[in-house]
Amino acid sequence: KNQVEQSPQSLIILEGKNCTLQCNYTVSPFSNLRWYKQDTGRGPVSLTIMTFSENTKSNGRYTATLDADTKQSSLHITASQLSDSASYICVVSMNTGFQKLVFGTGTRLLVSP
Amino acid sequence: DTAVSQTPKYLVTQMGNDKSIKCEQNLGHDTMYWYKQDSKKFLKIMFSYNNKELIINETVPNRFSPKSPDKAHLNLHINSLELGDSAVYFCASSQNLGTSGTHNEQFFGPGTRLTVL
Repeated sequence: KNQVEQSPQSLIILEGKNCTLQCNYTVSPFSNLRWYKQDTGRGPVSLTIMTFSENTKSNGRYTATLDADTKQSSLHITASQLSDSASYICVVSMNTGFQKLVFGTGTRLLVSP
Repeated sequence: DTAVSQTPKYLVTQMGNDKSIKCEQNLGHDTMYWYKQDSKKFLKIMFSYNNKELIINETVPNRFSPKSPDKAHLNLHINSLELGDSAVYFCASSQNLGTSGTHNEQFFGPGTRLTVL
């Protein structure tokens, strides 16, 4: 079954600290892996997209890694800010002739002052 | 200059009613999608359209009928609303259907929170 699992489910960190979110997937055939940030009451916004051949990608203070062999990804947030408080969703795109996204349930991050 | 817009943002209605949600994108994309986000915040694809043609229909009840008058618009009409239809519905668009090895980023609208009483 095509699934994307994320951990932890929720996380509270102090402002300025770093954190790492995990994603494991069983989606096949794999096309790419995305991390989205979803603020409360808003739609998801893309942070990074990685294809099979890309094993790391950065977007400012966000750095995503991908290990396609073990089917794992992580999102590292450096020097967290209050505005980082949001849900972070790992999404794997299947290639079935066209791309179809399989969403994880997300990690809810709260950055505390 | 909103990229993907949806109306209304909130929709409260009684069981059994018929309602529509509208979506428009000004990105010049060929492909549009509807997603449902349930109370556990899990997003799931409902439909995708490419150049006004239905591509994905994920076993959604036929009470849901998407309509794409042109490739910039994908509206969602729901008949005989049920309590279980309460959710946040997101519209999204991407350049095209995407092929293996490409990024084909999807851009999401702000969502429509539907509450069925």
